[in-house]
Amino acid sequence: DTEVTQTPKHLVMGMTNKKSLKCEQHMGHRAMYWYKQKAKKPPELMFVYSYEKLSINESVPSRFSPECPNSSLLNLHLHALQPEDSALYLCASSQAFGQGALEQYFGPGTRLTVT
Amino acid sequence: AQKITQTQPGMFVQEKEAVTLDCTYDTSDPSYGLFWYKQPSSGEMIFLIYQGSYDQQNATEGRYSLNFQKARKSANLVISASQLGDSAMYFCAMRALKTSYDKVIFGPGTSLSVIP
Repeated sequence: DTEVTQTPKHLVMGMTNKKSLKCEQHMGHRAMYWYKQKAKKPPELMFVYSYEKLSINESVPSRFSPECPNSSLLNLHLHALQPEDSALYLCASSQAFGQGALEQYFGPGTRLTVT
Repeated sequence: AQKITQTQPGMFVQEKEAVTLDCTYDTSDPSYGLFWYKQPSSGEMIFLIYQGSYDQQNATEGRYSLNFQKARKSANLVISASQLGDSAMYFCAMRALKTSYDKVIFGPGTSLSVIP
């Protein structure tokens, strides 16, 4: 099973709202990622968790707050977002470095619209 | 610094024909992995094929093959017998094999359109 699930599929939120994106995998992967993707552009890395610890934060604004409660779950908490944060948010997982195969598996994404 | 270049913003191919999507990369790391992903208009990124920097043979997965030329730092994707469902964005990506820099970088992508 190479499935990564993400909820919700679509989200519309106001600039004062607080919402969360959820990602789950059951492949035993110990590295999980959040990406932001604008239309017709490649994914931009936001955060990397390795063995449930935050290993990379690509200078993401604090209105995005990641959380990795356990090895299967990854959340992205959203607060006071701006309209320019509207994008497709992709979650991915992979073996951690030294764990084995390197390819990432992506979820279907959450299309976020900030009004 | 690591970089991926895909010089073909858009490509067209006739159904049932083969097509090559170009990818060149730049890295000073001796160990790395190269990947190709397909992204249809629905948005999901689909893993297609992987090539390790020390692999002696070119990777193949069904209709997909990776033409790996290490000295030229190129990793072109060849799709044989194109199908209408192959119309999508295709991204080349690279992951360095070191703990201090465990992230994947993507190229800008190539939009492939398969013509009936």
